Amino acid sequence: DAGITQSPRHKVTETGTPVTLRCHQTENHRYMYWYRQDPGHGLRLIHYSYGVKDTDKGEVSDGYSVSRSKTEDFLLTLESATSSQTSVYFCAIRMNTEAFFGQGTRLTVV
Amino acid sequence: QQQVKQSPQSLIVQKGGISIINCAYENTAFDYFPWYQQFPGKGPALLIAIRPDVSEKKEGRFTISFNKSAKQFSLHIMDSQPGDSATYFCAASIPRGAAGNKLTFGGGTRVLVKP
Repeated sequence: DAGITQSPRHKVTETGTPVTLRCHQTENHRYMYWYRQDPGHGLRLIHYSYGVKDTDKGEVSDGYSVSRSKTEDFLLTLESATSSQTSVYFCAIRMNTEAFFGQGTRLTVV
Repeated sequence: QQQVKQSPQSLIVQKGGISIINCAYENTAFDYFPWYQQFPGKGPALLIAIRPDVSEKKEGRFTISFNKSAKQFSLHIMDSQPGDSATYFCAASIPRGAAGNKLTFGGGTRVLVKP
């Protein structure tokens, strides 16, 4: 699993509340990514990081922010959760050409 | 705009049959084309990958065929087994070190192999 841990694994939250998902890696990889997975859409990139404090937007970044204050941690925040953000969220690291994914976080916004 | 289009969305094949999944891309800067396999409750895992300088790559029962001029690539699963039942994603990325080293994924194909 390339030392990637996502937390929490499951979360139910109410519309309008902020939510933070955590991705932790143990191998000092430079590149980290947050994807969301929805039926029919595959995995879509939300945000990515190419180093501490270096982040950039992906294709579906609206309503999300990220932070990376340490190499090992990449946080995804839903500033004010909406039902359209109900999804499975995957963190990934990139090692050479290969991407390694965490186990995912299933988020339900009610 | 989806840069990598994958078809079909789902596929049912008999044990021993051939599963074929197709992907088409638009960005000619893509230079790496992996396929990922995902089982329920798990993250995707790399299955096989190809670069555009070759037209075919085979690993065991899995083969990627690549057509650069048509901007298409496909995954063939030979002698499909029930354990191959999973969701498969094609993906593409631009050269390493550029624009965040990102992968762009297709929409996924759910494969069911019937015994």
